[in-house]
Amino acid sequence: AQRVTQPEKLLSVFKGAPVELKCNYSYSGSPELFWYVQYSRQRLQLLLRHISRESIKGFTADLNKGETSFHLKKPFAQEEDSAMYYCALLTGTASKLTFGTGTRLQVTL
Amino acid sequence: NAGVTQTPKFRVLKTGQSMTLLCAQDMNHEYMYWYRQDPGMGLRLIHYSVGEGTTAKGEVPDGYNVSRLKKQNFLLGLESAAPSQTSVYFCASSEDSPYEQYFGPGTRLTVT
Repeated sequence: AQRVTQPEKLLSVFKGAPVELKCNYSYSGSPELFWYVQYSRQRLQLLLRHISRESIKGFTADLNKGETSFHLKKPFAQEEDSAMYYCALLTGTASKLTFGTGTRLQVTL
Repeated sequence: NAGVTQTPKFRVLKTGQSMTLLCAQDMNHEYMYWYRQDPGMGLRLIHYSVGEGTTAKGEVPDGYNVSRLKKQNFLLGLESAAPSQTSVYFCASSEDSPYEQYFGPGTRLTVT
């Protein structure tokens, strides 16, 4: 069965420090992965998807099929990056997503 | 363009009461979803729909029913609320490829 694991519930970093939010998955098919973000008092929204290989707000994520990982990285954290981050795996039909349990990123001065 | 809207925003129920949560989208999306979000458990899919008149079970469907009588609306019903259904409920909609789901603002439900 498909599964998405985010091992850290909370990640606290200083402003300007590098950030890496971990995501591992298990899936028998060809994986398509996403990162969603939920800022305080805002709705959940797509941050980036692996298929487009884009950088959004300085964040990047590379799919590593050998390690079954899709870690989210940013070289220099900003205060406005503080939010809840969810890794998600496209599973089956109807664009269904399986979400990880989320990591709260806290960027402090 | 309102996107995905949810009604109500907050609700407190007593155990055994019933209620319906309404989700509406104006993007003409085929697919719609209901999730619940609980601390430490992320988002879990309750039910989903692949088009008007269709519904299907997700990961945690027990205690919930849904209906999609119109393409733009997806209703989530709790027939007999239990404290274990205290949660934040999110609705989302999507098209096929590129698979992005658009979320509503959420409904915070407390069952006492």
